[in-house]
Amino acid sequence: AQTVTQSQPEMSVQEAETVTLSCTYDTSESNYYLFWYKQPPSRQMILVIRQEAYKQQNATENRFSVNFQKAAKSFSLKISDSQLGDTAMYFCAFMKPRGGSNYKLTFGKGTLLTVNP
Amino acid sequence: EADIYQTPRYLVIGTGKKITLECSQTMGHDKMYWYQQDPGMELHLIHYSYGVNSTEKGDLSSESTVSRIRTEHFPLTLESARPSHTSQYLCASSERGRTAKNTEAFFGQGTRLTVV
Repeated sequence: AQTVTQSQPEMSVQEAETVTLSCTYDTSESNYYLFWYKQPPSRQMILVIRQEAYKQQNATENRFSVNFQKAAKSFSLKISDSQLGDTAMYFCAFMKPRGGSNYKLTFGKGTLLTVNP
Repeated sequence: EADIYQTPRYLVIGTGKKITLECSQTMGHDKMYWYQQDPGMELHLIHYSYGVNSTEKGDLSSESTVSRIRTEHFPLTLESARPSHTSQYLCASSERGRTAKNTEAFFGQGTRLTVV
């Protein structure tokens, strides 16, 4: 079974600074997807960024980028130029395609990020 | 904002009552999911469906049941609520397919259930 570990329950950062959230995972699969989802207070969870395991290039989405280390099974999220709207719970998640169709997500426990003005 | 809706947002109910949590999506997604989320904890999959008349139990054992009679609707029912059912329940949906794009899950705002 896959497991996802987020070792930082809470983090804080000053507005405009950079912060990195950590995630490690355990799997015997070679082909899978990794995700960071954001859950703002009282709002819907949304996808921040996705990484395909067979792609060596790290994914980027505007101010969000990942550092994917497949051998180390590490998948950290870097948020540059942090904004107040980035305050949220961030979940790292793993998905193993099954039977040719994408399957369920396995989540970590989350990191509560607070961006301070 | 994603087109997936959950009602009610908050529910306080007495032990032994039957409840149904509603989830609807207007995106035509084949796949739908129910997750249970306790404060400070990860989301656990309790039910999923790959299409109409298809439902399966997830990783976390749950006393709830689900049905999928229409593509857009995936309600979750507890026949007899207990305090141990107190939690947040999140509904999600995604497209069927094998591409990376189909891996994105769209979530509702959740239902926070308290059983007293």
